[in-house]
Amino acid sequence: GQNIDQPTEMTATEGAIVQINCTYQTSGFNGLFWYQQHAGEAPTFLSYNVLDGLEEKGRFSSFLSRSKGYSYLLLKELQMKDSASYLCAVRDQAGTALIFGKGTTLSVSS
Amino acid sequence: NAGVMQNPRHLVRRRGQEARLRCSPMKGHSHVYWYRQLPEEGLKFMVYLQKENIIDESGMPKERFSAEFPKEGPSILRIQQVVRGDSAAYFCASSPGTSGRAHYEQYFGPGTRLTVT
Repeated sequence: GQNIDQPTEMTATEGAIVQINCTYQTSGFNGLFWYQQHAGEAPTFLSYNVLDGLEEKGRFSSFLSRSKGYSYLLLKELQMKDSASYLCAVRDQAGTALIFGKGTTLSVSS
Repeated sequence: NAGVMQNPRHLVRRRGQEARLRCSPMKGHSHVYWYRQLPEEGLKFMVYLQKENIIDESGMPKERFSAEFPKEGPSILRIQQVVRGDSAAYFCASSPGTSGRAHYEQYFGPGTRLTVT
């Protein structure tokens, strides 16, 4: 079956670093995506990994290990506006539909 | 460049009525995906369409739900005889294609929140 797991909730303070983990078991693999979703808004694209390793983009980085079925999203220098849900999604071998985890709600406090 | 447009943003229907949700993809995008997000649940894929074609409807409930993406106009997700369990946020996403680049991220619209009373 298709399964994507990520923690339900995480808390952190402004200026800190937080790592959100995601593990997946899918029938195929054609890329892993991270999206950010503020309450009541559309998911917005953050990052994409298809090869093993770290992709860095400003304060956000994403890591992938295909052999372990594992990814993480690293957020540095946290700001209050980073409080949101972070969605891990895998595109299966069909290369079309995204399979989403339930999301991790991150709360950043001062 | 306008993003993905969805309307209405909020829709209230009584049980048994029909709901029509509209999605206009980003300019230049010919691929449309519909997802449903239930409270406390992740986004679930429903259907993938290109102009005048349904490519993958493996996530669509077998009854009452249908989708189209005509040659002209927006994509429509239609739910007939709505029930309370259909209450959810319905998101549309578009992409320019699935070949050529290694990936095409999907750009999401603001969603339609359907409430069935």
